[in-house]
Amino acid sequence: NAGVTQTPKFRILKIGQSMTLQCTQDMNHNYMYWYRQDPGMGLKLIYYSVGAGITDKGEVPNGYNVSRSTTEDFPLRLELAAPSQTSVYFCASSYGGDRRTRYGYTFGSGTRLTVV
Amino acid sequence: DAKTTQPPSMDCAEGRAANLPCNHSTISGNEYVYWYRQIHSQGPQYIIHGLKNNETNEMASLIITEDRKSSTLILPHATLRDTAVYYCIVRDSNSGYALNFGKGTSLLVTP
Repeated sequence: NAGVTQTPKFRILKIGQSMTLQCTQDMNHNYMYWYRQDPGMGLKLIYYSVGAGITDKGEVPNGYNVSRSTTEDFPLRLELAAPSQTSVYFCASSYGGDRRTRYGYTFGSGTRLTVV
Repeated sequence: DAKTTQPPSMDCAEGRAANLPCNHSTISGNEYVYWYRQIHSQGPQYIIHGLKNNETNEMASLIITEDRKSSTLILPHATLRDTAVYYCIVRDSNSGYALNFGKGTSLLVTP
């Protein structure tokens, strides 16, 4: 199993540009998440999904959009990039329901995004 | 989720056991104790979790006090690759979807 795979690993965007961060998992996890981590700070939840076709906002959703058309994929879309979106983005997945408590979250290796 | 308290930093000599403490005095009966770590520039990595009993896996051991108000993560033979920030998190099945990592303990393993 590859676990959670994120692409790209690094990206530089100009202000106002758009891009999609890709995330895919091969563990058949129901739940998927997008976090951002600013330097020296903890992780903040952007969006999450409890299954295909279902998404919901986390703590810091403004400026982002997501979709979940399949169990495996959970792309994060940035529209009109701003310097405040410079961060490291982590995708994660987990089992759903009661199994979410009994098992941990699996994280991808992250996408380092710089907006200039 | 119950609040957790961890020391900000610790050192450990390579080959020795690293014992990382966590206080969670307000933990409720249904809440599990989880440990994650984040090696520099990488995604967080799940290590271990437990409810009441001590737990051991290939990475670490988790010792939970009888009153469940504190726990200790033990890395039995620390290596340089164990240098990371370690997070203790308490949550149950009703917890929200965000993992609240807090500030964690920065463990430095020295040669």
